[in-house]
Amino acid sequence: EAQVTQNPRYLITVTGKKLTVTCSQNMNHEYMSWYRQDPGLGLRQIYYSMNVEVTDKGDVPEGYKVSRKEKRNFPLILESPSPNQTSLYFCASSLSGVDEQFFGPGTRLTVL
Amino acid sequence: AQSVTQPDIHITVSEGASLELRCNYSYGATPYLFWYVQSPGQGLQLLLKYFSGDTLVQGIKGFEAEFKRSQSSFNLRKPSVHWSDAAEYFCGGGGGSYIPTFGRGTSLIVHP
Repeated sequence: EAQVTQNPRYLITVTGKKLTVTCSQNMNHEYMSWYRQDPGLGLRQIYYSMNVEVTDKGDVPEGYKVSRKEKRNFPLILESPSPNQTSLYFCASSLSGVDEQFFGPGTRLTVL
Repeated sequence: AQSVTQPDIHITVSEGASLELRCNYSYGATPYLFWYVQSPGQGLQLLLKYFSGDTLVQGIKGFEAEFKRSQSSFNLRKPSVHWSDAAEYFCGGGGGSYIPTFGRGTSLIVHP
């Protein structure tokens, strides 16, 4: 089954404790991206990647890192999480920049 | 900055009434545009997309959208709303080969 998976689905952590949210797709898509969703602000792009080893900042990259060492994986790293990073995070992939994006189920992160 | 705008944060309609959700874009090049739906507690699902050609696009669940270059709009419509249509709707798009960005979303409330 074609899908985008994210782990964990739910995470509660404390300020400053490094964490990684994994994202994997099995559709051989070149494009992957991370979004955060906050009430009243909709979906905001954090980072995107057009191919292996090619990443670029989205609208709200501060406090986040990403890497794309393999085509299928695009982890989101929070080196020192803060409470303002409490949010719902979505990973997405697409065949190209103009194709339908397939979204993962989301990761709800709470930073205390 | 190139973007899409959804001017309505909330829309309330009665079941069986017609629906129009607004989306305006500001891409200089010929844009590609999407509408996604997010049901409560769910991920995002593509309703329809426009890349070129026929400006009236049919989607799933009885939705359609019309691309109007003169008005820089891509409004989503449905002739008769069902209670199950209550959800968050996101318009997204891009003007090149990059991963699209999204509007803030419109929350649809359906009264019985």
